[in-house]
Amino acid sequence: DAGVIQSPRHEVTEMGQEVTLRCKPISGHDYLFWYRQTMMRGLELLIYFNNNVPIDDSGMPEDRFSAKMPNASFSTLKIQPSEPRDSAVYFCASSLALAGQYFGPGTRLTVT
Amino acid sequence: GENVEQHPSTLSVQEGDSAVIKCTYSDSASNYFPWYKQELGKRPQLIIDIRSNVGEKKDQRIAVTLNKTAKHFSLHITETQPEDSAVYFCAASKGGNNNDMRFGAGTRLTVKP
Repeated sequence: DAGVIQSPRHEVTEMGQEVTLRCKPISGHDYLFWYRQTMMRGLELLIYFNNNVPIDDSGMPEDRFSAKMPNASFSTLKIQPSEPRDSAVYFCASSLALAGQYFGPGTRLTVT
Repeated sequence: GENVEQHPSTLSVQEGDSAVIKCTYSDSASNYFPWYKQELGKRPQLIIDIRSNVGEKKDQRIAVTLNKTAKHFSLHITETQPEDSAVYFCAASKGGNNNDMRFGAGTRLTVKP
């Protein structure tokens, strides 16, 4: 298995633009997680899905953030409109229930 | 919700020495405790985990202990090597239908050759 796949790996955009981050979890995993990592705030859980259904989105910072999982092999995290304070590394991770999470390589987002 | 605290934030040891990182958690329902290693510019990677029905687990130079009564767990690295230098994160999860995982703030370990 190729592991968790994320795209793009790097994204530079201007404030106000829409940003879409993509994730393909490990085949067979039933949980998918989106995290944001910054020096100031560490690793923050944004939202997670179980069997494609959002379970807890309490970590999503604002209504500008939204996430979808239309099927078991694909998820998106969208920021609209983006702001400079959204600059961070965004990780997607997947797991089987009550097991370790496997992280993707991350997307480094820079909003200017 | 769950709150995980991790200490120390930075740790510097001499090659060959042992390193210990400690975490506490607040929710007594948490029952799964993984540890992740993140090298600079890389993704967090699972290195060891422990479940609440076990008090200790060992994998070569790495061991994790869990004290459910005190709600704390620790990572022990023996015979440290320079390649052990990284940021280590502990985490806690209740699993089941509530599988969100809360991470500690991380410990930056530096192993000096």
